[in-house]
Amino acid sequence: NAGVTQTPKFRILKIGQSMTLQCTQDMNHNYMYWYRQDPGMGLKLIYYSVGAGITDKGEVPNGYNVSRSTTEDFPLRLELAAPSQTSVYFCASSSGTGGTNYGYTFGSGTRLTVV
Amino acid sequence: TQLLEQSPQFLSIQEGENLTVYCNSSSVFSSLQWYRQEPGEGPVLLVTVVTGGEVKKLKRLTFQFGDARKDSSLHITAAQPGDTGLYLCAGDGGGSNYQLIWGAGTKLIIKP
Repeated sequence: NAGVTQTPKFRILKIGQSMTLQCTQDMNHNYMYWYRQDPGMGLKLIYYSVGAGITDKGEVPNGYNVSRSTTEDFPLRLELAAPSQTSVYFCASSSGTGGTNYGYTFGSGTRLTVV
Repeated sequence: TQLLEQSPQFLSIQEGENLTVYCNSSSVFSSLQWYRQEPGEGPVLLVTVVTGGEVKKLKRLTFQFGDARKDSSLHITAAQPGDTGLYLCAGDGGGSNYQLIWGAGTKLIIKP
């Protein structure tokens, strides 16, 4: 079982460049999430999706965009990269059934540096 | 705004010692989860507790959910170097989007 797959693992961007972080899951989960993790700051929610075609903003959405055309894929787009977007990005998914959140499955992350 | 506070933020102990990590809030959660994260990897779910007062054991790790479902603890008996990592707690506030409220984490180092 692959679970949640994120690519690339590492990336260096110049200020003003754009890129897409890929995320795909093979567990048929409806709920998917994008987080960023900065040292000592915990996980901050960027965007989430409750199903194909439905996305919504999280706590820190500025500078990012997402789409969810299929159940499996949830790419995160960075437009006009800024140094403040230097971080580790994690994609996660959840089955979200039965009214109780039993846990997320995370990808292994993308370490992004903007210079 | 729901918040989860973890303590301690950092803990370094010798192999074989016992330790407890705490996760506290003034809010009630419908469930609470503990994750362990190793360097260069994403968090991995250890356990989910749902019922107030619930205790779950995972080998040498014991997890407890407070009676009022506002707090939780993680106790490790006879810590091993393999327990080293960042421990994160996360609470489900009960929203329909299954979003979690995250603690900032406890960085645990077990020295051989």
